[in-house]
Amino acid sequence: DTGVSQNPRHKITKRGQNVTFRCDPISEHNRLYWYRQTLGQGPEFLTYFQNEAQLEKSRLLSDRFSAERPKGSFSTLEIQRTEQGDSAMYLCASSFMGQPQHFGDGTRLSIL
Amino acid sequence: DAKTTQPPSMDCAEGRAANLPCNHSTISGNEYVYWYRQIHSQGPQYIIHGLKNNETNEMASLIITEDRKSSTLILPHATLRDTAVYYCIKWGPAGSARQLTFGSGTQLTVLP
Repeated sequence: DTGVSQNPRHKITKRGQNVTFRCDPISEHNRLYWYRQTLGQGPEFLTYFQNEAQLEKSRLLSDRFSAERPKGSFSTLEIQRTEQGDSAMYLCASSFMGQPQHFGDGTRLSIL
Repeated sequence: DAKTTQPPSMDCAEGRAANLPCNHSTISGNEYVYWYRQIHSQGPQYIIHGLKNNETNEMASLIITEDRKSSTLILPHATLRDTAVYYCIKWGPAGSARQLTFGSGTQLTVLP
């Protein structure tokens, strides 16, 4: 059973650098979500794709953040000019239509 | 504002049933009650969901009160691996693409 896969699992970078994360959803899932989780808090929604279309973005998704899902398969989340406050766990989830969302184990980002 | 209330922490002896309560200040007729859990350093894991009837699967049972504002997740024979943060989330309507809104959850610790 191949679940949601996220890479890398950990990323350490210096403030001001750009970073990109990848999410491979469960193969038949047409919906893909990105969430962010900071220490001690529950995950917070960032953005959502249905197939290749990005249909919703949270106000948390500043203009330094961009997400893509070319061809409706894998997705990437890029953060430009990283800041200390971007340190968090970035989680990806996928679902088929209205079925439960299934999460990957996330990418932990640390900004030095 | 709608509010979800869960105890911040609970302990349970290994082998005993763990009963985790959840209250919603408001819940619409077409909103489901979902339960997820998050083991340390992993992504949230879907457990079970229900609309108004009690539900059971291989992981847990879900009891929903008649007014649907309260639910209880039951882990019938807790093991050390069930130690996690448990989130109760209302979500719907069926088929929607709505994101999950996580609260603070309940930290369940299963004691040997």
